[in-house]
Amino acid sequence: GESVGLHLPTLSVQEGDNSIINCAYSNSASDYFIWYKQESGKGPQFIIDIRSNMDKRQGQRVTVLLNKTVKHLSLQIAATQPGDSAVYFCAEDRATGNQFYFGTGTSLTVIP
Amino acid sequence: ETGVTQSPTHLIKTRGQQVTLRCSSQSGHNTVSWYQQALGQGPQFIFQYYREEENGRGNFPPRFSGLQFPNYSSELNVNALELDDSALYLCASSQSGRAETQYFGPGTRLLVL
Repeated sequence: GESVGLHLPTLSVQEGDNSIINCAYSNSASDYFIWYKQESGKGPQFIIDIRSNMDKRQGQRVTVLLNKTVKHLSLQIAATQPGDSAVYFCAEDRATGNQFYFGTGTSLTVIP
Repeated sequence: ETGVTQSPTHLIKTRGQQVTLRCSSQSGHNTVSWYQQALGQGPQFIFQYYREEENGRGNFPPRFSGLQFPNYSSELNVNALELDDSALYLCASSQSGRAETQYFGPGTRLLVL
């Protein structure tokens, strides 16, 4: 079946380095994608989104890249900080009602 | 902290029982979505309520049902609990389902024995 998935379950980076978290999706009809951050004991927090008519979108220290040809999404975090340690999920909107489907997640650990 | 609250925070039930989880949406939000998050997994969409009507459903059996009230708060009901229902149940409120306005609550952790 169609699904949203992540390449790597865990990622460790040194404080100050850039982080890249990847996500593959298989539903070619999905046209809206979101990255969420989930800290321990909390619900997911919206980070950044991108529509399928865009290839790149930048926020504060974060950039999302979308490659529709290979159905791949990535989240880049610049100058990673200890507070960035969390699980990151990509999610896709498969229906018109903004019903989001999440991937498995990548756990990011920032080493001081 | 978001303005979305959930109760209870933790719950233990036995197989076959029924459970009701509650969610208070953020002020100004008219849409509530419910998700099930198993340990080590991403949240899985259960259903969404918009202005008191179900507005989409994921791949969950009918024993998962919900309600939305005039003040846009919501309940998730699960009948005939199974061991695999043990999970963190998250609700998220938004303005008309817009992702950039979607705020998640802290969740209710349900353990079914």
